[in-house]
Amino acid sequence: AQKITQTQPGMFVQEKEAVTLDCTYDTSDPSYGLFWYKQPSSGEMIFLIYQGSYDQQNATEGRYSLNFQKARKSANLVISASQLGDSAMYFCAMSSNTNAGKSTFGDGTTLTVKP
Amino acid sequence: NAGVMQNPRHLVRRRGQEARLRCSPMKGHSHVYWYRQLPEEGLKFMVYLQKENIIDESGMPKERFSAEFPKEGPSILRIQQVVRGDSAAYFCASSPRTGSLTSETQYFGPGTRLLVL
Repeated sequence: AQKITQTQPGMFVQEKEAVTLDCTYDTSDPSYGLFWYKQPSSGEMIFLIYQGSYDQQNATEGRYSLNFQKARKSANLVISASQLGDSAMYFCAMSSNTNAGKSTFGDGTTLTVKP
Repeated sequence: NAGVMQNPRHLVRRRGQEARLRCSPMKGHSHVYWYRQLPEEGLKFMVYLQKENIIDESGMPKERFSAEFPKEGPSILRIQQVVRGDSAAYFCASSPRTGSLTSETQYFGPGTRLLVL
């Protein structure tokens, strides 16, 4: 079975500062993918970034980067230069070949960006 | 290129009624996933479908819930005899499934908020 743990129910960050959202995972599958999604108050799920278990480099997408530490089974999301529009719920998720591609989600972290 | 479409966006049902949730995947996507999100929780996998096939329904409750993805038309998640505990947001996601299972990004629809009175 695979499991995602997000230990921070809520986080605050000052506008223009960087913030790290924690995610740890557990799986016995050697091949897996890690994803981060953003869910604003409007409710939709927005894909942010992907990291493959065999990728040598940490993934980056604009202001988003994924701090992937395989030995520690962590995949933290770093948001640089926070903006007010970044206030939302953030979900870490994973999929693996064993689970036929279906994603397992963490319980999420609510990020609030302060002006 | 339209994204994943779900309708209705909001659905209110009384206990005992049926709820039908529809999902049209992105153009070119042949794989559909349904997830349920209870308030203040993450998404929980329900079922994974390909055209005319159920690939994995390990997350579906054994009774009252069913899903299909016919050759023509949208995927349907059907909940019979709804109860208050079925109140949740139901998300559909689609993927093209062109390669590795682990790198297939799933693109989500806006969700259907079901409220059972």
